[in-house]
Amino acid sequence: AQTVTQSQPEMSVQEAETVTLSCTYDTSESDYYLFWYKQPPSRQMILVIRQEAYKQQNATENRFSVNFQKAAKSFSLKISDSQLGDAAMYFCAYRSYLYGGATNKLIFGTGTLLAVQP
Amino acid sequence: EAGVTQFPSHSVIEKGQTVTLRCDPISGHDNLYWYRRVMGKEIKFLLHFVKESKQDESGMPNNRFLAERTGGTYSTLKVQPAELEDSGVYFCASSQGRQSSGNTIYFGEGSWLTVV
Repeated sequence: AQTVTQSQPEMSVQEAETVTLSCTYDTSESDYYLFWYKQPPSRQMILVIRQEAYKQQNATENRFSVNFQKAAKSFSLKISDSQLGDAAMYFCAYRSYLYGGATNKLIFGTGTLLAVQP
Repeated sequence: EAGVTQFPSHSVIEKGQTVTLRCDPISGHDNLYWYRRVMGKEIKFLLHFVKESKQDESGMPNNRFLAERTGGTYSTLKVQPAELEDSGVYFCASSQGRQSSGNTIYFGEGSWLTVV
């Protein structure tokens, strides 16, 4: 079974600085997706960034980028130029790359609560 | 376009009572999921509907939990009777089209359940 581990329950960053959130996972599959979701207080959980395991290039979305190390099974999220609106709970998630049939549900880590200091 | 909506946002009930959570997915989304996060732990999958059919209910903790999706639109998750360990945040999510690894899953804000 696949597992996702986020070892940082809480992180803090100064506004305009850069922060990296850690995520490791365990799987025997070769094809899969990895995601970072963000949930601001009392708001919907939204997708921040996704990475296909077969792609060597790290995904980027504006100020958000990942460092995907497939061999090490590591998938960290870097937030550059942090803004107050980045304060949220961040969840790392794994999803199998299935070709139909059974549910390819998301498997989540425990989350990292990010605080942004003005 | 409206997102995934959940009701109630917060609920406090006594042990032994019944609670029903409702989820309205994004219009046109055939796939509907329920997840749960117990405080301090990871978000765990409960079940998956494709239209009105249960595709996968392997995550349902026990028979006190009953999920329905009549007509393939909104879904309800009933907990009866509620126990203390049922406290947590219940997330609903939906995605469109034929089940595919690549489809983005959209989440609601969650329903916070406290059993006292």
